[in-house]
Amino acid sequence: AQKITQTQPGMFVQEKEAVTLDCTYDTSDPSYGLFWYKQPSSGEMIFLIYQGSYDQQNATEGRYSLNFQKARKSANLVISASQLGDSAMYFCAMRDRIQGAQKLVFGQGTRLTINP
Amino acid sequence: NAGVTQTPKFRVLKTGQSMTLLCAQDMNHEYMYWYRQDPGMGLRLIHYSVGEGTTAKGEVPDGYNVSRLKKQNFLLGLESAAPSQTSVYFCASSYQGPLKLFFGSGTQLSVL
Repeated sequence: AQKITQTQPGMFVQEKEAVTLDCTYDTSDPSYGLFWYKQPSSGEMIFLIYQGSYDQQNATEGRYSLNFQKARKSANLVISASQLGDSAMYFCAMRDRIQGAQKLVFGQGTRLTINP
Repeated sequence: NAGVTQTPKFRVLKTGQSMTLLCAQDMNHEYMYWYRQDPGMGLRLIHYSVGEGTTAKGEVPDGYNVSRLKKQNFLLGLESAAPSQTSVYFCASSYQGPLKLFFGSGTQLSVL
């Protein structure tokens, strides 16, 4: 079963608009963590934001915020006031227990393109 | 500010050849990971290590071996490369478990 699902293969957004990238997850572990990473065309993976399953508040990091809806098992990334430099692949990931050890499991990614 | 360093950055192999990818981190992290990235499939965990001298299998371990003889180094080996192993390989490390991972810049491997 897919642990992390990103249903948007690609998104196109006008510069300065806000954008929401969807992520849903599946786990039976009450303690888990959710992450978002950015991968620009240069290829490196850049950590953006983290949300713990017991965190009461939605995580925020500058223009990034994580819309955490626990009952719906969703962890959408919101980028406010998008910029051309936000064009990249975005991966949602979850810390999950697999075969007795905690590991990071990634979704398929969403390619975001910001248009001028 | 080296962080996580992967070598080589690019490599082309013929089917059946062997090679080793090297990952080195200078952050004194306990945990190290090898992922592969394929189009439309995100990153998949190959092997990981929770400390010097330990290794464990991830989601897609077949055809790969790893070693962690020194805390700062994590080696990924392909004994007999196959075209299905054409991929981009990422090494990552973390201080304590799969919290914030620090990634290397990736190795693009093509197996012909």
